[in-house]
Amino acid sequence: ETGVTQTPRHLVMGMTNKKSLKCEQHLGHNAMYWYKQSAKKPLELMFVYSLEERVENNSVPSRFSPECPNSSHLFLHLHTLQPEDSALYLCASSQGGQGASGANVLTFGAGSRLTVL
Amino acid sequence: GQNIDQPTEMTATEGAIVQINCTYQTSGFNGLFWYQQHAGEAPTFLSYNVLDGLEEKGRFSSFLSRSKGYSYLLLKELQMKDSASYLCAVTDSNYQLIWGAGTKLIIKP
Repeated sequence: ETGVTQTPRHLVMGMTNKKSLKCEQHLGHNAMYWYKQSAKKPLELMFVYSLEERVENNSVPSRFSPECPNSSHLFLHLHTLQPEDSALYLCASSQGGQGASGANVLTFGAGSRLTVL
Repeated sequence: GQNIDQPTEMTATEGAIVQINCTYQTSGFNGLFWYQQHAGEAPTFLSYNVLDGLEEKGRFSSFLSRSKGYSYLLLKELQMKDSASYLCAVTDSNYQLIWGAGTKLIIKP
């Protein structure tokens, strides 16, 4: 399998549930990202990992917890979410971190559509 | 603050030409990207401009004017499969990506 793969594609959870989103890339990239995409809003960068170390956390609520066990895998652990957290969560990877070059092309996964009831 | 503006939605006819504009106000500039995102799919890279001028790639072209803080994506010979959202993003002086909200392009037969 090539590219960036995200699972699950769809997730419905209650506010008290704990769930995780998974992202896997087979491109040999060394940086991975979580973005939140809401309708008619710009992509919001949540977390950046470069060489498996978190380099950026854009003031994301603690109910979102990322984990990057190796350069190919990225998780987003979800706990006690709010209805306003319902959105499409996109994972992306790149060769080189976001702060390395202006020409850093991102390869995205198809996203996990999250609905919080 | 930093801001990227692009139209929310545009409609065009199959076979025609459409231009999607993007204006930006950012702290510094290190390049501008266009991505295409079909409904329910991943955004995919279309183009990158860092110098002024026009870059052509088949039916798609991207233009940049740094002095005007302006770019456009030109799509020629429109096909139904071009119906998608088109995302503009700028790399600022800290090499952080600033995103626009995207333009939804609807192609009609």
